[in-house]
Amino acid sequence: EVQLLESGGGLVQPGGSLRLSCAASGFTFSSYAMSWVRQAPGKGLEWVSGISAGRTFYPDSVKGRFTISRDNSNNTLYLQMNSLRAEDTAVYYCAMGYSSSSSWGQGTLATVSS
Amino acid sequence: QSALTQPASVTGSPGQSITISCTGTSSDVGGYNYVAWYQQHPGKAPKLMIYDVSDRPSGVSNRFSGSKSGNTASLTISGLQAEDEADYYCSSYTSSRIVVFGTGTKVAVL
Repeated sequence: EVQLLESGGGLVQPGGSLRLSCAASGFTFSSYAMSWVRQAPGKGLEWVSGISAGRTFYPDSVKGRFTISRDNSNNTLYLQMNSLRAEDTAVYYCAMGYSSSSSWGQGTLATVSS
Repeated sequence: QSALTQPASVTGSPGQSITISCTGTSSDVGGYNYVAWYQQHPGKAPKLMIYDVSDRPSGVSNRFSGSKSGNTASLTISGLQAEDEADYYCSSYTSSRIVVFGTGTKVAVL
């Protein structure tokens, strides 16, 4: 059974940083592209990064501030978030896949507030 | 990198069929057969219902079907059931090599 478990969320001040982690199990992690998707409170889904064949991609809303990476030896996906803004407040989901995501974690809440 | 356009809400009665549209551009929906649909119940993670425009993952009811014409993709739910009441989001791969989601549609079952 595929399992994705996010951690690392919390309260951070504007301009601060957070590093999210996603522990994967139940599948050959290194063989799959992975994504991070966020959802602001009461809002829709927003794709914020993906990693595929060693290449990384970001929308303009987070480019230059967020960095996705992976450790295939430890089956873990990361999202380093810098220069955080209030509008980055959201539940962040780790998802298996890129153009479509067949499994999702339960999400971790990141709150940016002073 | 604008969000794909979906109707804010769609309502149907049990047993009816409803269709949710997802409109993009030739740089996303119209340019690739990489449209997906997700169902999300309150407080839960999204669930993949359709991928690659019209394929269903194992375990998803055949009451859910997807299609595409030009820059607009569609999700049809037939034989509407109370458990189908949820938010639905489309997504598409884009020419920028990123993924964009739709604005979301709330489905209500009368």
